[in-house]
Amino acid sequence: EAQVTQNPRYLITVTGKKLTVTCSQNMNHEYMSWYRQDPGLGLRQIYYSMNVEVTDKGDVPEGYKVSRKEKRNFPLILESPSPNQTSLYFCASSTRASGSSYEQYFGPGTRLTVT
Amino acid sequence: QQQVKQSPQSLIVQKGGISIINCAYENTAFDYFPWYQQFPGKGPALLIAIRPDVSEKKEGRFTISFNKSAKQFSLHIMDSQPGDSATYFCAAPRAGTASKLTFGTGTRLQVTL
Repeated sequence: EAQVTQNPRYLITVTGKKLTVTCSQNMNHEYMSWYRQDPGLGLRQIYYSMNVEVTDKGDVPEGYKVSRKEKRNFPLILESPSPNQTSLYFCASSTRASGSSYEQYFGPGTRLTVT
Repeated sequence: QQQVKQSPQSLIVQKGGISIINCAYENTAFDYFPWYQQFPGKGPALLIAIRPDVSEKKEGRFTISFNKSAKQFSLHIMDSQPGDSATYFCAAPRAGTASKLTFGTGTRLQVTL
């Protein structure tokens, strides 16, 4: 089954304790992205990756890091989480093929609470 | 930074009625404009998309109307059903970057019996 998986699904942590949210896709997609979803703000892009070893900032990258060492994996790293990073996080992937790049496949989400 | 303005923020429609959600965009790339549907506890999923050189796209009860000159597009849900209750996001293709899509702020639709 084609899918994007994220782990963990729920996470409660304390300020300053480093954490990693994993994302993996089995569709051989080149493009992967991280979003955060907040009430009234919709989906905002944090970072994206066009392919292995190619990453770039989205609209709200402060406080986050990413890496793309393998095509299928795109982990999101919060080195020193703060309460304003409490949010619902989604990983997404898509092909770069012309005419189909608008279709992004989203993971189930990770609800993060930073106290 | 590109913005996509979506309205209304929430919408309550009776079963069988028409749900209408609107979006306005700024400069974009020439690519599809999609709508995503998100059920509680799930990630967004592509619902329907339209090419910018087409004025209307219909799939079942869902229709996108696209007005290129006004830089606006809308989603119409005909004969709305309780199963349509979800959050809907419009999105526009980004101009000048490879970062794909800018999403609207979302519309929470509730279809009542």
